[in-house]
Amino acid sequence: GAVVSQHPSWVICKSGTSVKIECRSLDFQATTMFWYRQFPKQSLMLMATSNEGSKATYEQGVEKDKFLINHASLTLSTLTVTSAHPEDSSFYICSATTLGAGGPITPDTQYFGPGTRLTVL
Amino acid sequence: GESVGLHLPTLSVQEGDNSIINCAYSNSASDYFIWYKQESGKGPQFIIDIRSNMDKRQGQRVTVLLNKTVKHLSLQIAATQPGDSAVYFCVLDDKIIFGKGTRLHILP
Repeated sequence: GAVVSQHPSWVICKSGTSVKIECRSLDFQATTMFWYRQFPKQSLMLMATSNEGSKATYEQGVEKDKFLINHASLTLSTLTVTSAHPEDSSFYICSATTLGAGGPITPDTQYFGPGTRLTVL
Repeated sequence: GESVGLHLPTLSVQEGDNSIINCAYSNSASDYFIWYKQESGKGPQFIIDIRSNMDKRQGQRVTVLLNKTVKHLSLQIAATQPGDSAVYFCVLDDKIIFGKGTRLHILP
């Protein structure tokens, strides 16, 4: 099946620095990618929807200037956590789909990355 | 089942027994349902799905039951194994919004 990778798998940074997380679809073209955040012992919370070549759509309560998303190609989306603080420490997960926004998303077209654990000191 | 951000309930099951994980939803127009499994430190993994025109669907050791009348979905895992330890989420339609999930803990 299709594979989605994330890099790095974990990162530790100092408060105030910026961290970039990459999400790649390895063997398929992803028209849409989703970014989630998951705090310990909690569910995945959708942060934003990213369509290739256009601006990301952020969920309510997610600061777009804080979490910069770039989806410059059909195989790569990046999430940059700017001026990270300890409360941004979380598990960040991306997923990729082969259909555009609004299309039916099924297991055949929705693939999750392994996640990136961010720890901000 | 649609409230996010809440702490996860835990279901403890003896190894070898059957597990039943439940999910309640509120939107009666929901048409498509997916169960995901998330092991510790990993991304979600697809288990099984079901459409609203079905009441039951079976996979390998897993069965999903849908009761549209009471808006309830369940995942049954037969002969639970240690490898089934994970958090299980139901996801509705194509909105890709995760419910609060249930942690399945296997007792030896």
